[in-house]
Amino acid sequence: KQEVTQIPAALSVPEGENLVLNCSFTDSAIYNLQWFRQDPGKGLTSLLLIQSSQREQTSGRLNASLDKSSGRSTLYIAASQPGDSATYLCAVLNYGQNFVFGPGTRLSVLP
Amino acid sequence: DTAVSQTPKYLVTQMGNDKSIKCEQNLGHDTMYWYKQDSKKFLKIMFSYNNKELIINETVPNRFSPKSPDKAHLNLHINSLELGDSAVYFCASSPSGQFATNEKLFFGSGTQLSVL
Repeated sequence: KQEVTQIPAALSVPEGENLVLNCSFTDSAIYNLQWFRQDPGKGLTSLLLIQSSQREQTSGRLNASLDKSSGRSTLYIAASQPGDSATYLCAVLNYGQNFVFGPGTRLSVLP
Repeated sequence: DTAVSQTPKYLVTQMGNDKSIKCEQNLGHDTMYWYKQDSKKFLKIMFSYNNKELIINETVPNRFSPKSPDKAHLNLHINSLELGDSAVYFCASSPSGQFATNEKLFFGSGTQLSVL
């Protein structure tokens, strides 16, 4: 059964820092991995989707990488801003199953 | 234009009551989902429907009954509400549900259910 973990559980950084969020999964038989952002009281917004054959995807200050064989993905946020404060979740789309989510990393970017 | 919309946003009710949450998507997607996010923020799949047909039914009490009148709507009815049902319920949709490499989830803004 697929299990997804994320570390750290929470992270607090000063504005302007570059940071890395980690996502690990136990079963490498996945179609893709998706990173989401969740603001308090809101739904999830998709940030990046990496297909199983891809190594990374970029959108603005965000870069996500995928190493399927080792079951790892990282989300890199450059030059963090207070507006980046949110919970970041990763989810993998499994063969024969469905999207399985990690517990999230709660990010606070301090002005 | 909200892509995936669910109502109500907040639902406060007494134990034992029956309640419904509605969801609609205007993205033309074939597959819709209900997820439950508990107090520890874990998101877990409850149901998925592809073109009005039930595809996934996780281990959910049969007090929870999804209904899909058409592929743009997936409602969730809950009978005999219990304290443990308190959570945030998210509706989501994806283009095909065919588990392709570019299959992507789109979420509604959630319904916070509080059972007193």
